[in-house]
Order: sequence, then structure tokens, then C-alpha cells
Amino acid sequence: KQEVTQIPAALSVPEGENLVLNCSFTDSAIYNLQWFRQDPGKGLTSLLLIQSSQREQTSGRLNASLDKSSGRSTLYIAASQPGDSATYLCAVRHRRFYGGATNKLIFGTGTLLAVQP
Amino acid sequence: NAGVTQTPKFQVLKTGQSMTLQCAQDMNHEYMSWYRQDPGMGLRLIHYSVGAGITDQGEVPNGYNVSRSTTEDFPLRLLSAAPSQTSVYFCASSLGTGAYNEQFFGPGTRLTVL
Repeated sequence: KQEVTQIPAALSVPEGENLVLNCSFTDSAIYNLQWFRQDPGKGLTSLLLIQSSQREQTSGRLNASLDKSSGRSTLYIAASQPGDSATYLCAVRHRRFYGGATNKLIFGTGTLLAVQP
Repeated sequence: NAGVTQTPKFQVLKTGQSMTLQCAQDMNHEYMSWYRQDPGMGLRLIHYSVGAGITDQGEVPNGYNVSRSTTEDFPLRLLSAAPSQTSVYFCASSLGTGAYNEQFFGPGTRLTVL
């Protein structure tokens, strides 16, 4: 059974610092991996999606990497800002034995990031 | 585009009452799904639909019904609410389930069952 873990559960950094959020998954047979941001009381905003064949994706100050063989993904945030404060969730879409995607995302429980001004 | 919209934002029910959570998207997405989010448990899939007229169960379907009569709408029905259904409910959609299809989420419905 696929399990997704995000450590640490919470992280506090001073403004301007570069930081890395971690996501681990137990089964490397994934179709893709998606990083989301969730603000308090709000829905999920998609940040980056990485295909299983890709190693990384970049969007602005965000860079997500994927290492399927070790079951790990990282989200790198450069020059953090107070507006980056939120919960960051990763989710994997599992690959079926015949190669197609399953119909659900399996989520980690998130990392709560606080960027101090 | 409004994206994925959900109503109501908040709802309080008494045990045994029924209600329908509404979800709509205006992106012509084929795939829609419902998740619930509970502290310490992450998001879990309740039901999903790969197109109008086609629905299937997810990880935690008991106590919930869905139907998909149009591409745009995917309502979630609670048949007889229980305190264990107190949660935040999110609707999501994507163009399909292909490798490049991001899922987009609505703002959520916070449900309390007394």
C-alpha cells in the first residue's frame, strides 16, 4: 500500500532563507507527483506537477525534484517570503500494473511552513 | 473561468439529517472527485467520476452518494449524517487522469455534524 510521508510536520525560518521541504513515498510505481499549497481555511492550490519520467520542475522561486528509485521528492523554495507561509502538501498518483494511472491522489499530511519577517 | 466552486462554505447538521454538497467546474474537465480532510489523516478520496454518467468509489465511500448527470456538476450527498462525517470536504477536477493532468481543488465545505 502506497504511503506518503512529509517531514518535518512544521518548519519556521527567517525571511530570505532558502529552504527544502521533503516528501517520501513507499512505492516507486508512481504516475506523477504533485505539490500543493494550502492556506488556512482555504482549498489547495497546485504548485508543480512532476511526471514519473521527469527529474525536476521549476516555477519561479520553486523547484521540485523527483527521485523515484529512492522514493523521494523535494520542494525547494528560494529566498523565502512571509507570503510563503502555508501548509505544503505532496500527493502521488499511483501507477497500475499495466501502466495506467489510478484514479486517486495519495496525500501526505503536509508541512506547515512559517516564514518570519 | 471560476474554476472549481463549492457550496455551501459552512454547514452544521444534526445526526440523521441529509444534505447535498454542491460542486461545479467550468473548465470542461472530465475527471471530478471528492475528498475529505481530517487532522492527522491527510486527504482521502470518497468518490470520483471519469465522465458524465460514470462514478466509482474511492477509499472512504460509506455514508456518501454521488451522481454525475452533467460534465460540470458533481454533487455529494450525505444520506444520514453522523458525527464521524464532521470534516472539510474538497471537490477536485482535472482534464483527465493522464500524466500531465493537474488536479484543481475547490475552496472546500466545512461540515459539522452534532
